[in-house]
Amino acid sequence: DTEVTQTPKHLVMGMTNKKSLKCEQHMGHRAMYWYKQKAKKPPELMFVYSYEKLSINESVPSRFSPECPNSSLLNLHLHALQPEDSALYLCASSQDSSVSPLHFGNGTRLTVT
Amino acid sequence: DQQVKQNSPSLSVQEGRISILNCDYTNSMFDYFLWYKKYPAEGPTFLISISSIKDKNEDGRFTVFLNKSAKHLSLHIVPSQPGDSAVYFCAASDSGTYKYIFGTGTRLKVLA
Repeated sequence: DTEVTQTPKHLVMGMTNKKSLKCEQHMGHRAMYWYKQKAKKPPELMFVYSYEKLSINESVPSRFSPECPNSSLLNLHLHALQPEDSALYLCASSQDSSVSPLHFGNGTRLTVT
Repeated sequence: DQQVKQNSPSLSVQEGRISILNCDYTNSMFDYFLWYKKYPAEGPTFLISISSIKDKNEDGRFTVFLNKSAKHLSLHIVPSQPGDSAVYFCAASDSGTYKYIFGTGTRLKVLA
């Protein structure tokens, strides 16, 4: 079982909907990440939170809004998405060090109709 | 601009033999490297890592080799098992940042 839990596993939403993806870890990690992965492509970094503060935003469109309510939780709020945003959204965490491995959840498969 | 590349999209190996997966990078600031395995419908699973101060790291059946001058790393799996069949990603980071950049992946098939 993965130690990073993501919900929901699957999500279908229309272009006018608002939805949220959730991620939780209880490993005491202080860095949390959102990655996006399209079919047959590598995971692409979207956001990084370090000590609950946003430290990296890879020029992600504002229709994606991250939130880190506490050190164990990470949300990704979605609004007015486009069909091309359909992808696997992966959450990861790591210890407070950029020389420690990422631990991934199993992802949320998002389909935008 | 793909900073981390895996030039072999797929690889087939007989069970019990060695699997060698390769990865090249272009950014000389990268100093920490990782390998992940990914099954369908699951997130990537961490396998092994290496820091640039070393040229080899071993963990059970998995060994990672780093050639800094060639900006090349490889993952050796010995002996290969059918359960190793998956997509393998290499990743690299500059330890001054939290940016982990992933390669394009190699699909390994271990034949029984």
